[in-house]
Amino acid sequence: QQQVKQSPQSLIVQKGGISIINCAYENTAFDYFPWYQQFPGKGPALLIAIRPDVSEKKEGRFTISFNKSAKQFSLHIMDSQPGDSATYFCAVRNAGNMLTFGGGTRLMVKP
Amino acid sequence: DAGVIQSPRHEVTEMGQEVTLRCKPISGHDYLFWYRQTMMRGLELLIYFNNNVPIDDSGMPEDRFSAKMPNASFSTLKIQPSEPRDSAVYFCASTKGGGAYGYTFGSGTRLTVV
Repeated sequence: QQQVKQSPQSLIVQKGGISIINCAYENTAFDYFPWYQQFPGKGPALLIAIRPDVSEKKEGRFTISFNKSAKQFSLHIMDSQPGDSATYFCAVRNAGNMLTFGGGTRLMVKP
Repeated sequence: DAGVIQSPRHEVTEMGQEVTLRCKPISGHDYLFWYRQTMMRGLELLIYFNNNVPIDDSGMPEDRFSAKMPNASFSTLKIQPSEPRDSAVYFCASTKGGGAYGYTFGSGTRLTVV
């Protein structure tokens, strides 16, 4: 059973544009919703995260929007830059502190 | 802190051989996770430990896989015997429980079984 569905699988955005990646989950018991960024040859790195008691969190150019009733959350990258080109993973955490990851989105930002 | 340290970075082995992957978590972290990453299946959780005790190993694909954490600063993932379908990048990650802490991943071990 896929606990978190991520879309799109790949995304091409022009420099300066907005990148949007979406995730949907099923289990309402999840308590923490992080996004990870992974560059080739590296491990995923925590980018930004949100708790379910807030609807939005912003850190610099990165924003998480969270819709608890719809069981969806999304990552918005404003003013996308070529250096943002990477694979992005959403994740959900259960009470056992275990993260389940989405399938990943490969983002390419064209100069 | 040096972060989560994994070794080796790359491993090429022949089918049937034993492979041991190693991980040193961040000092003070009480959770350790082993993930496998492939193009087809993405990031899969294999097993995780809390305070050196295995909590959930339901993701371990077969009895050929085993993991240990003899102390708070060291863990191993062993595959015996290895098969070509085990080829993947294996990540170790650690975190501190009890709060909104993200995982810190190591750089991974790229395993190729020929």
